[in-house]
Amino acid sequence: GAVVSQHPSWVICKSGTSVKIECRSLDFQATTMFWYRQFPKQSLMLMATSNEGSKATYEQGVEKDKFLINHASLTLSTLTVTSAHPEDSSFYICSARDPASEFGQYFGPGTRLTVT
Amino acid sequence: SQELEQSPQSLIVQEGKNLTINCTSSKTLYGLYWYKQKYGEGLIFLMMLQKGGEEKSHEKITAKLDEKKQQSSLHITASQPSHAGIYLCGADTGTASKLTFGTGTRLQVTL
Repeated sequence: GAVVSQHPSWVICKSGTSVKIECRSLDFQATTMFWYRQFPKQSLMLMATSNEGSKATYEQGVEKDKFLINHASLTLSTLTVTSAHPEDSSFYICSARDPASEFGQYFGPGTRLTVT
Repeated sequence: SQELEQSPQSLIVQEGKNLTINCTSSKTLYGLYWYKQKYGEGLIFLMMLQKGGEEKSHEKITAKLDEKKQQSSLHITASQPSHAGIYLCGADTGTASKLTFGTGTRLQVTL
């Protein structure tokens, strides 16, 4: 089946710094990728839709300037958490849509961000 | 916006027992996905249902979508420790392939 990777799998950063998370589709081209956030013992909340070659579409309540998304190629989307604060600590998961598959989205393994 | 409510929120069953998890939508479902997640990991695709009354099975897991397409159930037969994890239902919102996720059900299987 289709594989989606994320890097890094976990990261610890200091408050005020920026962190970049990569999401790659390894064996298919994804024109659309999605970024989710998951707090402990909670479900996934969609943050934004990343479209190759165009601006990302953010969900209501998600700060565009804080969570920068770039989808520069058909296999890579990046999420940059700018000026991170402890409340940004969370589990971030990306998914990629394979147009050739009927099964919708394939999910990455997630990135755990801890801001100290 | 579409909301998905899962029940129960958590479940502890003895190995070998059967169990059912429900997912109820506030709106008609275009497509309903079931995923399994282990703590701190990504989602593993289990099944997708689209048609009212549809039922799919894979190994010991069976998922159904009711005729009105507003409720789905996931049934595990003869549960095993490997079934432990968080089960999430996801609904196709019908907009740009976006998914809305349910509240999740945490399953523990005891020996």
